[in-house]
Amino acid sequence: EVQLVESGGGLVQPGGSLRLSCAASGFTFSGYSMNWVRQAPGKGLEWVSYISSSSTTMYYADSVTGRFTISRDNAKKTLYLQMNSLRAEDTAVYYCARDVVEYGSVLFDYWGQGILVTVSS
Amino acid sequence: QSALTQPASVSGSPGQSITISCTGTSSDVGGYNYVSWYQHHPGKAPKVMIYDVSNRPSGVSNRFSGSKSGNTASLTISGLQAEDEADYYCSSYTSSSTRIFGTGTKVTVL
Repeated sequence: EVQLVESGGGLVQPGGSLRLSCAASGFTFSGYSMNWVRQAPGKGLEWVSYISSSSTTMYYADSVTGRFTISRDNAKKTLYLQMNSLRAEDTAVYYCARDVVEYGSVLFDYWGQGILVTVSS
Repeated sequence: QSALTQPASVSGSPGQSITISCTGTSSDVGGYNYVSWYQHHPGKAPKVMIYDVSNRPSGVSNRFSGSKSGNTASLTISGLQAEDEADYYCSSYTSSSTRIFGTGTKVTVL
């Protein structure tokens, strides 16, 4: 069974940093690209970042470019999101999601349950 | 990176059909057959209902179907059921190799 479990969320002050983790199990993690998607309170889903299976390619939404860094450790089957210079508008539930683009289709086929990040003083 | 445009809400009675539109540009929806649709119940993980415009993942009811014309994609739910009440989001691949979501549509079963 495919499982994605996020951790590392919590309350952080504006300007602070936080690192999210997403532990994967039930599939060959090193064979899939991964994404972070977030949902601010009362708002819609927003794609945040993408990383290819071998970490050769990363993409970011304009709203987080220069502040967030996506990475992965295939040996530990874990995806990360390092978030720096956090702003109030980064407050959201953050989801990790598996991507199958490297297999010819484009969809997020499995998602974690999400982790809440609150940026407030 | 403006979000794709969806109606804020759509409603229907049980058994009816409803259609949700998703309008983008030639740099996303219109440029690729890589539109997917997600059902999201509050507090739960989103679930893919349609991918690559019109493909249905294994286990998804055939009451869900997708299509595309130009820069607008559509999700149709036929035989509407109470369990279909949720938020629905479209998503597209973009010319920058990124992903983009729609603004979201709340489906209400009357």
